[in-house]
Amino acid sequence: QSVVTQPPSASATPGQGVTISCSGSSSNIGSNAVNWYQQVPGTAPKLLIYTNDQRPSGVPDRFSGSKSGTSASLAISGLQSEDEADYFCAAWDGSLNGWVFGGGTKLTVL
Amino acid sequence: QITLKESGPTLVKPTQTLTLTCTFSGFSLTTSGMGVAWVRQPPGKTLEWLAVIYWDDDTLYSRSLKSRLTITKDTSKNEVVLAMTGMDPVDTATYYCAQISRNYFYYYMNVWGRGTTVTVSS
Repeated sequence: QSVVTQPPSASATPGQGVTISCSGSSSNIGSNAVNWYQQVPGTAPKLLIYTNDQRPSGVPDRFSGSKSGTSASLAISGLQSEDEADYFCAAWDGSLNGWVFGGGTKLTVL
Repeated sequence: QITLKESGPTLVKPTQTLTLTCTFSGFSLTTSGMGVAWVRQPPGKTLEWLAVIYWDDDTLYSRSLKSRLTITKDTSKNEVVLAMTGMDPVDTATYYCAQISRNYFYYYMNVWGRGTTVTVSS
């Protein structure tokens, strides 16, 4: 069982928006930055958001991240079929002295 | 352009030691703030961080696997090697290496390799 919790699934229709949550504790999200990764099945994870709300170059501004207390969220607006993937949040955990990942959320674009 | 590539055996027997190599380009592990991490993903499951090595030779390991892991670097070859002893079928997974970057005080896994699938079976 992951130290950081995500909903196992989410879905929306093309053009709609969706938000994926990530809940942790004071030792991880509460005191460190959150990063988000997108993983299309069969491929490697790709960095989507780093340090809570920063987008690497090349990531569309349809993707945005936020953090409040011990929770974080990834918002995707204007959903496209290619957004169908698994999404993972990650943060450094000061108690474990290592990175922890959420269980992942499978996004289905209906 | 930053690239990383994992290499190693695709099949290992139980109790054997797994040795994986991450060969990278586009950055140097002698540069302050840089690092390379290993992460694995069992089939159908989430990601699990294993170990990290930084430019200053600092190393950190997953608490649950620390006794089995060793991470080293060869800056002249741009390689990072992960050794995992006592392999078990539950260690069957895709193993990724990832470049570690830093933004202010926070490190994050930036660019990832394509991964290498390791099966543990007799």
